[in-house]
This record gives sequence, C-alpha cells and structure tokens, in this order.
Amino acid sequence: SAVISQKPSRDICQRGTSLTIQCQVDSQVTMMFWYRQQPGQSLTLIATANQGSEATYESGFVIDKFPISRPNLTFSTLTVSNMSPEDSSIYLCSVDHEQFFGPGTRLTVL
Amino acid sequence: KNQVEQSPQSLIILEGKNCTLQCNYTVSPFSNLRWYKQDTGRGPVSLTIMTFSENTKSNGRYTATLDADTKQSSLHITASQLSDSASYICVARPRDRDDKIIFGKGTRLHILP
Repeated sequence: SAVISQKPSRDICQRGTSLTIQCQVDSQVTMMFWYRQQPGQSLTLIATANQGSEATYESGFVIDKFPISRPNLTFSTLTVSNMSPEDSSIYLCSVDHEQFFGPGTRLTVL
Repeated sequence: KNQVEQSPQSLIILEGKNCTLQCNYTVSPFSNLRWYKQDTGRGPVSLTIMTFSENTKSNGRYTATLDADTKQSSLHITASQLSDSASYICVARPRDRDDKIIFGKGTRLHILP
C-alpha cells in the first residue's frame, strides 16, 4: 500500500493569486495523478505527472493554469494559477492507477 | 460515450440495516470496476476492484457484484454502522490504456442512529 500526504489540507485564497499544493508519497512511484473534485461532481483528471518528463494534461486543462512539478519519484506539486472562484474545489493526488488517493486539499477562492 | 451513472444520488437508512447502491456503466471495452468510499473531507479509499470476469468481491461488510453483460454493478452494505456514512463512488476503467477512467458522481449515504 501507499501512504499519501498533501499540503495544505485546506486554504482560502483571493482571486488572482496562486496556490501550490504538495503531494508526498511514502514509496517511489512512476506515475502520479492530479484530480479535481468540484462540489457535487465526480473526480476529474487534471494531468498525469511522470518523473523526468513533462506532465500530460487532459482536455480542458493547460500547463499555464495548472503547472506541475515532479522532481523525484516520491513528490509532486500542482499550482493553481491566477485563481478565480470557479477554481474552488478539492484537489487530490493519486498513485498506482488510482488505487490510492491523498487526503485532498480543499481550496476556496474568494 | 463512456459514462458511469450511480443511483440513488443519496440514501438515508437506520444503523444496523442493509442497503444496496447501484452503478450502471457504458465503458466498453471494459477492464475493471472499482468501488471507493470517500469520507467527508478525505480522499477516496478503494473498497473493491473487479475485472470483467469476476462476479462478486467482498471486503468485510461490503460486497460488490458485477454483471458484465448488463454493465451493472452493485455495492451491498450489511449491518450498516454510523461510520459507513460517506460517499460511495463507482469507477470504470476502459481496457484501452489511452482512455481515461470514468468516475461516477457517487451515492451519499447517511446512517442514522
């Protein structure tokens, strides 16, 4: 099994600012996945992050808005840039083909 | 179009009672189906995973069934406990790895004492 931690657990941010979310795994993994869960909605894949290569973004998500770093096999960051209230969501990282999820970061944008 | 639909949207039952949650999917070709439990403010936790050739899988008081012919799955919870209050999410994975997995919107289950 994998234990995943995320920081911060929640944050309230002002419109136009950026927030970087960290995801730490207790074991080395090749692929890490970033998801968004808007209120009352299902999880939506933002991007897949592989160590040593550019992240692969899903339709509707772009690198300028959601830059991702993957410096090693246990860590990744997702930045939500130039935030608007529509970005208010829970952001989750996942490993092992979605078998394990982190606890999520609850973001509220005012 | 690949879709996963869950019913009911929400359910309220008394502690100790059984319940069954439904999942219909149109993902084809199909690789596996997973049920998750998501507590409020937490990430999803995998309960069961079934390949297209499996009919049932149990995890304690949770039993998932799968009918690949009708593309239906169910999650049965036996002798419910207050800690079962959560959202239950059905997820289908296409066989083609280039296709992304499909998440249902979940069923919100409330257990009353």
